[in-house]
Amino acid sequence: EVDLLESGGGLVQPGGSLRLSCAASGFTFSSYAMSWVRQAPGKGPEWVSGIRDNGGSTYYADSVKGRFTISRDNSKSTLDLQMDSLRAEDTAIYYCAKLRQQMDMVFDYWGQGTLVTVSS
Amino acid sequence: EIVLTQSPATLSLSPGERATLSCRASQSVSNYLAWYQQKPGQAPRLLIYDTSNRATGIPARFSGSGSGTDFTLTISSLEPEDFAVYYCQQRLNWPPLTFGGGTKVEI
Repeated sequence: EVDLLESGGGLVQPGGSLRLSCAASGFTFSSYAMSWVRQAPGKGPEWVSGIRDNGGSTYYADSVKGRFTISRDNSKSTLDLQMDSLRAEDTAIYYCAKLRQQMDMVFDYWGQGTLVTVSS
Repeated sequence: EIVLTQSPATLSLSPGERATLSCRASQSVSNYLAWYQQKPGQAPRLLIYDTSNRATGIPARFSGSGSGTDFTLTISSLEPEDFAVYYCQQRLNWPPLTFGGGTKVEI
């Protein structure tokens, strides 16, 4: 059974940094692209970032480009999101999501999410 | 950026009734449209991808149709567990990958 478990969320001041992690199990992690998708309170989902199975290519939404960095460790089956220069508008639940096929942008499994709150 | 507009915002129905949800794209997305279901406090769940393909484990009462700019998610006979928010998502042109604003199906 596929399981994705996010961690690392919390309260951070504007301009601060936070690192999210996602521990994956139940599938061959190194064979699948992964993404981070966030959802602000009362809003629809928003794709944030994606990474290919081998980590060789990364992709970002314009809203986070230059501030967020996605990475993965296939030996540990973990996905990370380093978030710097955080803004109030980054407040959201952040979900780790598995892609059905290589960067096909169909999210077939999601974690339970971790809440990031950016506020002074 | 491709904008997805979902209608209606809220659909009030009873168990056993048929639900028809609409998603309209600001430009053609070919057949690259997916539907997700989200219940309160839970992550979205993939229902349909590429317009009409049901994801693993999704009951046959869920079906998708359409092409180009107009798409429909149909739930043939609502079960109590189907009352939730539904989002459409296009994957033709990204970034940005875009989702619709959602349709809430309520009792």
